[in-house]
Amino acid sequence: QSALTQPASVSGSPGQSITISCTGTSSDIGAYNFVSWYQQHPGKAPKLILWEVNTRPSGVPYRFSGSKSANTASLTVSGLQPEDEADYYCTSYTTSNTVIFGGGTKLTVL
Amino acid sequence: EVQLVESGGGLIRPGGSLILSCEASGFTFSTYWMHWVRQVPGRGPEWVAYIKGDGSGPTYADSVQGRFTISRDNVRNTLYLHLTALRVEDTALFYCVRAARNWGMDVWGQGTAVTVSS
Repeated sequence: QSALTQPASVSGSPGQSITISCTGTSSDIGAYNFVSWYQQHPGKAPKLILWEVNTRPSGVPYRFSGSKSANTASLTVSGLQPEDEADYYCTSYTTSNTVIFGGGTKLTVL
Repeated sequence: EVQLVESGGGLIRPGGSLILSCEASGFTFSTYWMHWVRQVPGRGPEWVAYIKGDGSGPTYADSVQGRFTISRDNVRNTLYLHLTALRVEDTALFYCVRAARNWGMDVWGQGTAVTVSS
């Protein structure tokens, strides 16, 4: 199964908002609300920032939010902070009982 | 403190085998499903396998099906990944990951590096 499709890069200035899309199919994103998002800084392990489309784990800032429409999920980061500069990955559970990752998006804070 | 510590990585020749281990602490290991996820440096993560809390229902990515085996020892609080018939393209950092509710992955280890090369 091919990876979920994400833009390679996005950028924004501090205080602005950005949105990262994650496009799949009716066999993954379109089938369930089991979309998660991860933030990864260089040399670190990924960190869960959203699960079940739009649920934040404890400690994740409110400026991270998610949504889903049909086969596409989105991550919005509002009020960009310098520390938000990182790689972001989406995942989805699939109808094959597996998990699939997106290819990743590099967020640059200008 | 909730912690996952992987070990067992190394340099191995194509066709070889390796066993990765992941020692869990700080939570009731037997009540959590667990994943292995790998990542080639500079690329996105790739899900490899998961196993239920009681050790049942191992499920694999197509790319490793039939070559890798996930297992666990709930007495030793340890997750394993047995890698066989290794290929150059299996070279990656392998992460042990705790499964959160509804398919999130909420705790990650630091990873153990596997290099397959002749």
